[in-house]
Amino acid sequence: DVKVTQSSRYLVKRTGEKVFLECVQDMDHENMFWYRQDPGLGLRLIYFSYDVKMKEKGDIPEGYSVSREKKERFSLILESASTNQTSMYLCASSWGSNYNEQFFGPGTRLTVL
Amino acid sequence: GENVEQHPSTLSVQEGDSAVIKCTYSDSASNYFPWYKQELGKGPQLIIDIRSNVGEKKDQRIAVTLNKTAKHFSLHITETQPEDSAVYFCAASKGNAGNMLTFGGGTRLMVKP
Repeated sequence: DVKVTQSSRYLVKRTGEKVFLECVQDMDHENMFWYRQDPGLGLRLIYFSYDVKMKEKGDIPEGYSVSREKKERFSLILESASTNQTSMYLCASSWGSNYNEQFFGPGTRLTVL
Repeated sequence: GENVEQHPSTLSVQEGDSAVIKCTYSDSASNYFPWYKQELGKGPQLIIDIRSNVGEKKDQRIAVTLNKTAKHFSLHITETQPEDSAVYFCAASKGNAGNMLTFGGGTRLMVKP
């Protein structure tokens, strides 16, 4: 059974703080993704990684960076959190390429005050 | 880039009735169309998908239809049950490496007992 875990379910940070969101998957998947989910906007891709130390920008990378030092772990970094980054953040992983299911973690609800 | 529109944003049906959710996409090169279901407090989970070489696919009470000419696809749920209550997302992809999905805005389905 594939498991994707995220470090926190809820997180409250202040404007300007550096924020780390961690994601770990246990199925040796090559691909990992970070999305943010906002009402009415669905899921929007921030970054994805198809291998260790490899990353590609998604649709909304501004204000975010990522790190993938190990295959099972993908971190999302908010260098200087802002109130417009208050959102639900979802991590996902998948294997191979083309047409494969993405497995999602439960999400981290981040509030930036 | 790809744009996916999803309607309606909310849908309320009586238990036992059918529910239909519709999506349109903009990029004619898209060839993979999954549907994800997100229950409260959980990450989205794949429920059914269809590729562009198929017009319809069925799995028990759920079915998906695809009209490539019109660039729209739909999710049909028959004999709805209270446990079908969730948020449903459609998505589209060109099946490129890493399978980057573009999601619709989501539909909140409520099944009234």
